[in-house]
Amino acid sequence: DTVLTQSPALAVSPGERVTISCRASESVSTGMHWYQQKPGQQPKLLIYGASNLESGVPARFSGSGSGTDFTLTIDPVEADDTATYFCQQSWNDWTFGGGTKLELK
Amino acid sequence: EVKLLESGGGLVQPGGSLRLSCAASGFTFTDFYMSWIRQPPGKAPEWLGVIRNKANGYTTEYNPSVKGRFTISRDNTQNILYLQMNTLRAKDTAIYYCARSWAYYSGDYYYWYFDFWGPGTMVTVSS
Repeated sequence: DTVLTQSPALAVSPGERVTISCRASESVSTGMHWYQQKPGQQPKLLIYGASNLESGVPARFSGSGSGTDFTLTIDPVEADDTATYFCQQSWNDWTFGGGTKLELK
Repeated sequence: EVKLLESGGGLVQPGGSLRLSCAASGFTFTDFYMSWIRQPPGKAPEWLGVIRNKANGYTTEYNPSVKGRFTISRDNTQNILYLQMNTLRAKDTAIYYCARSWAYYSGDYYYWYFDFWGPGTMVTVSS
């Protein structure tokens, strides 16, 4: 299985720029997608195909990367962005990263 | 508006069975692949399996972790997705989500993701 590794937590101040990383154990080309999950809610799609913004998602969110290293960027961060962010790959089966919990200072 | 609503969760004893349902509306159900995904409390989601659309014969694929115990099916007249779960274990305790699956096409390859999720239903396996 392709393992996706994310840093467990980040803390930033509103208005700052934050990058959340996801590293794959093998190349997944551009088959990486990002989700936001707020407490008590289901995940919500933000980015598909590494860099494509899902309809209705604010342009403050962007994605980049290919191969094994991917990044989700939020710029600027707002208080409402407090959530856990998961990456998911679909090159080799469909697996999720462990999630990065984003907290606002 | 796309809506997905799961039901059928609850408390079940180890070794027992449970069938989950997911009512879909707001889109042409037969055009889409549909998946089940679960998430133990405080942990990452785990994809369980997918059932393809009409054009692809409603065939299924499963995560090896549940293959042989879980079965995905769909009622295309009532727009309902099902997950039959047998021989349940404590490790199956989780929130179970249904999700619509869609693909991004690039370089002669389809990359699948989940564009809409239901709110989930909790399954607890315990004696």
